[in-house]
Amino acid sequence: EAQVTQNPRYLITVTGKKLTVTCSQNMNHEYMSWYRQDPGLGLRQIYYSMNVEVTDKGDVPEGYKVSRKEKRNFPLILESPSPNQTSLYFCASSLGPYNEQFFGPGTRLTVL
Amino acid sequence: TQLLEQSPQFLSIQEGENLTVYCNSSSVFSSLQWYRQEPGEGPVLLVTVVTGGEVKKLKRLTFQFGDARKDSSLHITAAQPGDTGLYLCAGQDLGGSNYKLTFGKGTLLTVNP
Repeated sequence: EAQVTQNPRYLITVTGKKLTVTCSQNMNHEYMSWYRQDPGLGLRQIYYSMNVEVTDKGDVPEGYKVSRKEKRNFPLILESPSPNQTSLYFCASSLGPYNEQFFGPGTRLTVL
Repeated sequence: TQLLEQSPQFLSIQEGENLTVYCNSSSVFSSLQWYRQEPGEGPVLLVTVVTGGEVKKLKRLTFQFGDARKDSSLHITAAQPGDTGLYLCAGQDLGGSNYKLTFGKGTLLTVNP
């Protein structure tokens, strides 16, 4: 089954404790991205990757890091999480940046 | 980055009613995508409209792309509780330089039985 998986689905952590949210897709898509979704602000892109080892900032990259060492995986790293990073996070993949986006199920992160 | 404005922001109707939601921008978009997001899940693509003036139908859902490719609408006939969800439009801004889609903030639709 073609899908995008994210782990964990739910995470409660404390300020400053490094965390990684994993994302994996099995559709051989070149383009992957991370979004955060907040009430009243909609979906905002954090980072995207056009291909392996090619990543770039989206609209709200501050406080986040990403890597793309393999085509299928695109982890999101929060080196020192802060409460303003409490949000619902989605990973997405697609053939290209303007094609249909396939979204993962989401990760709900709470930073205390 | 140009914005996609969606209206209304919230809509609560009774089963069987018709409704229309709108997606507007001052920019020209090469194509518009409509997604539906159900609670606890990621958005799922419903349709992509590409040509100005294009109309696409998906069962009880009718999508239209404006002639100038700056706006789009989604009309639902005889809404059902299963239509409940967040409806998002997204498009490639021809004037933008980033390799990404621009998303609207969405219309949250509730269909009451």
